[in-house]
Order: sequence, then structure tokens, then C-alpha cells
Amino acid sequence: SAVISQKPSRDICQRGTSLTIQCQVDSQVTMMFWYRQQPGQSLTLIATANQGSEATYESGFVIDKFPISRPNLTFSTLTVSNMSPEDSSIYLCSVGGSRDSGNTIYFGEGSWLTVV
Amino acid sequence: GENVEQHPSTLSVQEGDSAVIKCTYSDSASNYFPWYKQELGKRPQLIIDIRSNVGEKKDQRIAVTLNKTAKHFSLHITETQPEDSAVYFCAASRDTGFQKLVFGTGTRLLVSP
Repeated sequence: SAVISQKPSRDICQRGTSLTIQCQVDSQVTMMFWYRQQPGQSLTLIATANQGSEATYESGFVIDKFPISRPNLTFSTLTVSNMSPEDSSIYLCSVGGSRDSGNTIYFGEGSWLTVV
Repeated sequence: GENVEQHPSTLSVQEGDSAVIKCTYSDSASNYFPWYKQELGKRPQLIIDIRSNVGEKKDQRIAVTLNKTAKHFSLHITETQPEDSAVYFCAASRDTGFQKLVFGTGTRLLVSP
């Protein structure tokens, strides 16, 4: 499986600020995904990051709030903009989900954000 | 879209007992069903998965069963150990190209020594 590194691993952020999370994969992957896990909750897909094109957002998530970049096949960033306490969550980068990979999805270690 | 329900939300067992977690899904086109284990403070880790062309898959003390007609699948853990204590998530997706996972709500399993 791919090795997925995320930065930062944890951060405490001030209300109204923005934070960019980086995700680096040790091999080229076609699709990268960003999930959110709110405290005590399940995982919800934010968007699919496509290399060379705009990200595809899920219902309830918008580009202005969660802009995503995907400059190459091994890297992506997710920005959480104008943060509020409700944005306190674990943000997880993941790869896989292709038929070639057996649909298996692997997660990075996550970025644990607390907004105060 | 797909909807995955998971039960129970919490499950307490004695060490050595078996544990069963059940999930139902709504999209009859879903045919890939993974299970993830998430320990406190850590990322979800894939522990087992099953595709719709089989009804059961086993890996040591864990097994997953699938009933496509009823649209439900279950995780079975035998001879539970304290280190099995974690939150378990089921998920479902279609096996047609790049597909996203829809997760269940999670089950907190507590194994008491």
C-alpha cells in the first residue's frame, strides 16, 4: 500500500483564520480523496482531488470553504477557510479506490484541527 | 445515493467471546464492502473487505459475510482480545472505476479482560 504523509498532524487554530493541510504520497496515484471526521462521528467525503482539473465536491461542501489543489500525481492540499469551531475535525487524505487497486482506500494519519 | 446503516453503535463483550457488527446498504449496485478499525487517536485501518462475487471471507479471527439479496453484510470477530477494542466502520461502494466510499456510523467495541 502507498505511504501517505500529512502535515500538520495537529493544530489549534483561531476562529476566522485559514489552514492548509498537505498530503504527500510516495507513489503516483490518479485519485486522491479528502475526508472529514467530526468528533465522535463517521467519515464523510469532502471532495475528490483530480490532477490537472478542478476537484469534485460532495453535497454540502463548497470550493470557497475547502479549496483543493492537486499540482501533480503525488501531492495535494486542502485548505479549511474562515474556520469556525464547527470545523474542528480530523481531516484525512486518502488514496486508492480504483478498480486496479482493488477499490481499497488507504488513509493518511490525519490532521487533527481544533478551532478556538 | 448510497446510505449505509450500522448496528450496534456500542458493543461490550468479555475477552474470548465473539462480536458481530451488522451493516445494511441501500444501493443495489454497490459491490465492494470494506471494514475499517480505528483505534483512539489513530487513522482508520482496513482490516478486511469483500466483493459481491463471494458470500464470505475469513482472515484469522475476523470474517465478513455478505447477503446481496437482503443488502446486508456483517463483521464477525471470534476469540476477542482487549486489543480488539476500537471503533469499527463498515463502508460500501460500486466497483465501476474510481469510486468513493460511503461509511456507516461506526461501532465502538469494548473487550473486557
